[in-house]
Amino acid sequence: NAGVTQTPKFRVLKTGQSMTLLCAQDMNHEYMYWYRQDPGMGLRLIHYSVGEGTTAKGEVPDGYNVSRLKKQNFLLGLESAAPSQTSVYFCASSKPGQESPLHFGNGTRLTVT
Amino acid sequence: KNQVEQSPQSLIILEGKNCTLQCNYTVSPFSNLRWYKQDTGRGPVSLTIMTFSENTKSNGRYTATLDADTKQSSLHITASQLSDSASYICVVSESGGFKTIFGAGTRLFVKA
Repeated sequence: NAGVTQTPKFRVLKTGQSMTLLCAQDMNHEYMYWYRQDPGMGLRLIHYSVGEGTTAKGEVPDGYNVSRLKKQNFLLGLESAAPSQTSVYFCASSKPGQESPLHFGNGTRLTVT
Repeated sequence: KNQVEQSPQSLIILEGKNCTLQCNYTVSPFSNLRWYKQDTGRGPVSLTIMTFSENTKSNGRYTATLDADTKQSSLHITASQLSDSASYICVVSESGGFKTIFGAGTRLFVKA
């Protein structure tokens, strides 16, 4: 069981470039999430999905898009990267229910110059 | 505004000593509070969950407490080990919705 796998682990982009972050989970979880983690701040929710084919906006969705074409995969896209998007991005998955723990990947460190 | 505040921001202790991390929240309505451990370069991992009716819960050397009246929680680590060096994140979920609020974490350093 790999759990939640994120690729790539590191990436450097120039302002205006685009990229897609990949997240895969093998726990058959219904819910998946994308968070960003910035120094001195708690993790903030970008987008989430409660099932295949569905997505919803979180707390900080601007500048990002997501897709959930398959239950096990959740993709995060940056169409035109900005320096403010320099961050560590975490994907997570969980079973339905507020008492279900989040299972996180090990993050993607993105730098936008 | 719903908030989760943790203290201290960072802490250095000697191996074998105990420590207590604090979490204050203003989230309402309250559903549950969870503590996560995040090792450097890794994603957070759940340690324990506290619901409204629970006061204390232990997971090995970790003991979490919750006072729902004062909206405070603590995480006590007993007989610390070098492997306890990590960030500890307090996370509070709202009832009836999808909102989960993360604290900024306490960075714990355990020295030999």
